[in-house]
This record gives sequence, C-alpha cells and structure tokens, in this order.
Amino acid sequence: EAQVTQNPRYLITVTGKKLTVTCSQNMNHEYMSWYRQDPGLGLRQIYYSMNVEVTDKGDVPEGYKVSRKEKRNFPLILESPSPNQTSLYFCASSLSIGNEQYFGPGTRLTVT
Amino acid sequence: DAKTTQPNSMESNEEEPVHLPCNHSTISGTDYIHWYRQLPSQGPEYVIHGLTSNVNNRMASLAIAEDRKSSTLILHRATLRDAAVYYCILRAGGTSYGKLTFGQGTILTVHP
Repeated sequence: EAQVTQNPRYLITVTGKKLTVTCSQNMNHEYMSWYRQDPGLGLRQIYYSMNVEVTDKGDVPEGYKVSRKEKRNFPLILESPSPNQTSLYFCASSLSIGNEQYFGPGTRLTVT
Repeated sequence: DAKTTQPNSMESNEEEPVHLPCNHSTISGTDYIHWYRQLPSQGPEYVIHGLTSNVNNRMASLAIAEDRKSSTLILHRATLRDAAVYYCILRAGGTSYGKLTFGQGTILTVHP
C-alpha cells in the first residue's frame, strides 16, 4: 500500500532533550516536506526537500533540522525542544513539487 | 511571499453545490494555486490545482479569475463526507520553487 508513515505518533518529552521524528514513504517520491499545525494558525511549512541531499527552509524553520540522505526518508530533528514546539506535525511527499502531496497520519508532540 | 485569504467558515446543505472562495491578490505569474482539505483527525488530502485555466477532476472544479487574483473551489454536490477544512495554497515558483504557503482555511459544514 502506498503510504507515508511517521513515528512516533505521539510523544511527550521535556525541554532540551533531543528528539527525532521519522518520516518514510514507499512511493519513490522526490519531494518531501514537514509541516506543523497549531490552533488558529493552520498548517505551516517547516522544511522541504526537492530530492536527496537537497533541502530548503519553509516558513518556520527555526529550532528544527532535517536531512535527506535517502530518497524514502526525511527525518525531522529537534536538537533542543522547547514548549513552543508543542504541535501536531505532518510529513508529506509527492512525485515532484507540482504533483499532489500525500500526507502522513501526523505526530502529536508535547514538550513540557 | 504571496498569501491567501479565505472565509473562516461556510455552510451548505447536502447535495447542493458549494463555492469556496480564495483571494490571492499578490500572486506572482509562476505561482500555482492548490487546494487541499483536511477531514477531522486526519492529514490533509489533495483536492485540485491549477495555474491559469479552469480545472476539473472527479472531486471538484477550480475556477481561476482572469487576473488570477482570486479563485473558487466548486464542489458540485456536497455530501456529509465533504465536511472539512479547505485550504487554498500558493505553490511558489521562481527561486522559491517548492515552498508552499497555506491560507487559514475555510471550515465547511454540510447539513443533512
């Protein structure tokens, strides 16, 4: 089944403790992206990747890192999480930027 | 960056057409207009996209104004399953190729 998977789905952590949210797609898509969703703010793009080893900032990249060493994986790294990064995170992928994006199920992160 | 403006909410009756408006007065000539929707507790789902001409697919139609400063998503016969938040998105072209800017979204309520 073609899909985007995220892990973990739920995470509660403490300020400053490094964490990684994984994202994987099995559709051989070139384009991948991370978003965060907060009440009243809608979806905001954090980082995106046009292909392996090619990444760029979205609208809210501060406090996040990404890497794209393989085509299928696009992990989101929070080196030192803070409470303002408490949010619902979505990973998405598409064949290329012009094509429809497939979204993962979301990761709900709480930083205390 | 070009932004979009959508009404906060709209209501419709089942089996009636729905016209969801979006303003994007600062759109550039290379920006594509994308529409996604998000059902409760799910990730966003692609609906349709276009550049200049009107577009149709199995889910909806997209009508783009001649000056491209506004567009309308048309659901021809609303069903209860169409109740969702609808996002009008500009996909940047040029040097920001790959960056997506989400609007606030319109909450569509469909009454039986």
